[in-house]
Amino acid sequence: GNSVTQMEGPVTLSEEAFLTINCTYTATGYPSLFWYVQYPGEGLQLLLKATKADDKGSNKGFEATYRKETTSFHLEKGSVQVSDSAVYFCALSGALSGTYKYIFGTGTRLKVLA
Amino acid sequence: DTGVSQNPRHKITKRGQNVTFRCDPISEHNRLYWYRQTLGQGPEFLTYFQNEAQLEKSRLLSDRFSAERPKGSFSTLEIQRTEQGDSAMYLCASSVTTGTGADNEQFFGPGTRLTVL
Repeated sequence: GNSVTQMEGPVTLSEEAFLTINCTYTATGYPSLFWYVQYPGEGLQLLLKATKADDKGSNKGFEATYRKETTSFHLEKGSVQVSDSAVYFCALSGALSGTYKYIFGTGTRLKVLA
Repeated sequence: DTGVSQNPRHKITKRGQNVTFRCDPISEHNRLYWYRQTLGQGPEFLTYFQNEAQLEKSRLLSDRFSAERPKGSFSTLEIQRTEQGDSAMYLCASSVTTGTGADNEQFFGPGTRLTVL
């Protein structure tokens, strides 16, 4: 079945450091890929998405490229801020296969120190 | 539009009691989803509706769990004879069909935290 694997956290970085959070997936067909963020005390929010191979999603300085050859969707940001401290979830949806549910990874907690 | 709302936000109950949660999706959204999230884990899919039809249920959804979406608007999730293992955050999300469906962005509510004593 479909699955998502994320790097384990927590990840602790200093402000302005480069961030990479790895995400790989297993899926049949052509899934859509998403990154969601959960700030402390808040609900899940969509950060970015990509719906086909080689698409790059971007938002708030974060980027992720849909790599079908490596089945990956790694999240990157060139310079993190303290306000980026949150839990990040990678997810896939097989909507084109008729499955609209999300399969989530376990989440990666990011802590950015001033 | 105020987004997806869930009530109550917190529920504490004793083992063996029944509980019911409510979700109000974004008004024009035709799909509604329920997920369960335990500490340190990602959300796990429970079930989803397209309008009033329940189209998919996870094996996680035991016989003690039932969900409804009358008239394709709000939804309720009921857990009967609660067990301590049911303690979790229950998330509701909604989405709307667009184009091919590949852009299936789901909007999440704040969740209902259930504690079973």
